Amino acid sequence: QVQLVESGGGVVQPGRSLRLSCAASGFSFSSYGMHWVRQAPGKGLEWVAVIWYDGSNTYYTDSVKGRFTISRDNSKNTLYLQMNSLRLEDTALYYCARDKGGLSTRPGWLDPWGQGTLVTVSS
Amino acid sequence: DIQMTQSPSTLSASVGDRVTITCRASQSISNWLAWYQQKPGRAPNLLIYKASTLDSGVPSRFSGSASGTEFTLTISSLQPDDFATYYCQQYNYYPITFGQGTRLEIK
Repeated sequence: QVQLVESGGGVVQPGRSLRLSCAASGFSFSSYGMHWVRQAPGKGLEWVAVIWYDGSNTYYTDSVKGRFTISRDNSKNTLYLQMNSLRLEDTALYYCARDKGGLSTRPGWLDPWGQGTLVTVSS
Repeated sequence: DIQMTQSPSTLSASVGDRVTITCRASQSISNWLAWYQQKPGRAPNLLIYKASTLDSGVPSRFSGSASGTEFTLTISSLQPDDFATYYCQQYNYYPITFGQGTRLEIK
C-alpha cells in the first residue's frame, strides 16, 4: 500500500539545523510531486514547500524561503527537508504528502500524508 | 496569496444531524478545492477533491459543492466517527493555502 514515513525530527536550539526525511513506498515515487506541510501545536495546517517529480522545480512559503531546502533522491524513494537557521516559530509537526492531480501550472491535492515528525525549536 | 475563510470554527452537533461547513476563497480558484478530515493525533485524510469528487472509500454521506468562490462540505447524517476537525485547501495557485479548520464536536 502507499506509505509515507517521516523521520529526523527532534529538539534543536534556535539558529541550528535539522534535516527531515520522508521514505516513500507502494507507488512510483519518481512520478509524483511531493510536499511538506506543517502543523504547529494546537494550530491549523500550513503548507511549506513542494518539489516537482523530477526535482526540476521547487516552491516555498515565504516564511521559510532562504532557510529551508526541499530535495529528493528518486533512486532512494526519499524526500528531504533541510531546515537551517531554525526559529521558535518553526516548531511544528512536519508532514510529507504526495501531490495528486498537479500540473506544471498549478499544484494538486495532497494524498496520502505521512504520520508526521515533530520538530521542536527551543533554547 | 489566496485566503481561505472557513466557517464555523467550531460546530456542535448530534449523531444523525445534517451539517454544513463553508469555505470562501478570496478570489477565484475554479473548482480546485479539497477537503480533509483530521482526527486527534492523526494525519489529515483526503475526503473530497475538485470541490465535489469523493475520494475512494469515503462514505457517501459526505458531499461537496461549489458556487463561485464559496465551497461547502456537507455531512448528511453524522456518525460517531465523523467528529473531527475539517480543513479546506485551495490548489489553484502557489502557495497552497488551507482554511483555519472547523472542529466538529458532539453536542
